[in-house]
Amino acid sequence: GDSVTQMEGPVTLSEEAFLTINCTYTATGYPSLFWYVQYPGEGLQLLLKATKADDKGSNKGFEATYRKETTSFHLEKGSVQVSDSAVYFCALSDPGYSSASKIIFGSGTRLSIRP
Amino acid sequence: DTGVSQNPRHKITKRGQNVTFRCDPISEHNRLYWYRQTLGQGPEFLTYFQNEAQLEKSRLLSDRFSAERPKGSFSTLEIQRTEQGDSAMYLCASSEFTTQGAGETQYFGPGTRLLVL
Repeated sequence: GDSVTQMEGPVTLSEEAFLTINCTYTATGYPSLFWYVQYPGEGLQLLLKATKADDKGSNKGFEATYRKETTSFHLEKGSVQVSDSAVYFCALSDPGYSSASKIIFGSGTRLSIRP
Repeated sequence: DTGVSQNPRHKITKRGQNVTFRCDPISEHNRLYWYRQTLGQGPEFLTYFQNEAQLEKSRLLSDRFSAERPKGSFSTLEIQRTEQGDSAMYLCASSEFTTQGAGETQYFGPGTRLLVL
């Protein structure tokens, strides 16, 4: 079945460092891909998404490009801030798999940024 | 719009008791999803509704679990005869489904954290 594998954490970086969180997926159809973020004590928020191959999603300085050839959707940010400390989830939605757009999540990567 | 709300935010219960959670979606969102998240894991799909119809249930949803969305607005998730393994965060999400379908954005509530003693 469909699945998402993402980089295990925790990841600890200094402020202004470059961030990459790796994510690969397996899907039977043509999924949409997402990154969700969960800040401490808050609910899941959609960070960015891409709905077809070669699309780039971006938001708040974060970017991810839908790579069909490598089945990847890596999250990047050029200069992280302390406020980026959170848990990041890579996810997919594959309507071809069922009638629902249910989301399949990776296990999450905890990111901590040192001042 | 105040977003998706869930009540209660926390619930502690004894094994064998029944619990019920409520989710209020964003108004006019026609789809509502329930997910379960255990510690250190990503959320897992449980079930979803389109308007008042429950259209899919995960194999994770045992017979002790039941969900309703009687008027196509708020939804309830009931767990009967709770077990310690039911301890988790229960998340609700809503979305506006269009005929395009793919890539619809789900907006999540803050979750209800359940602890079964």
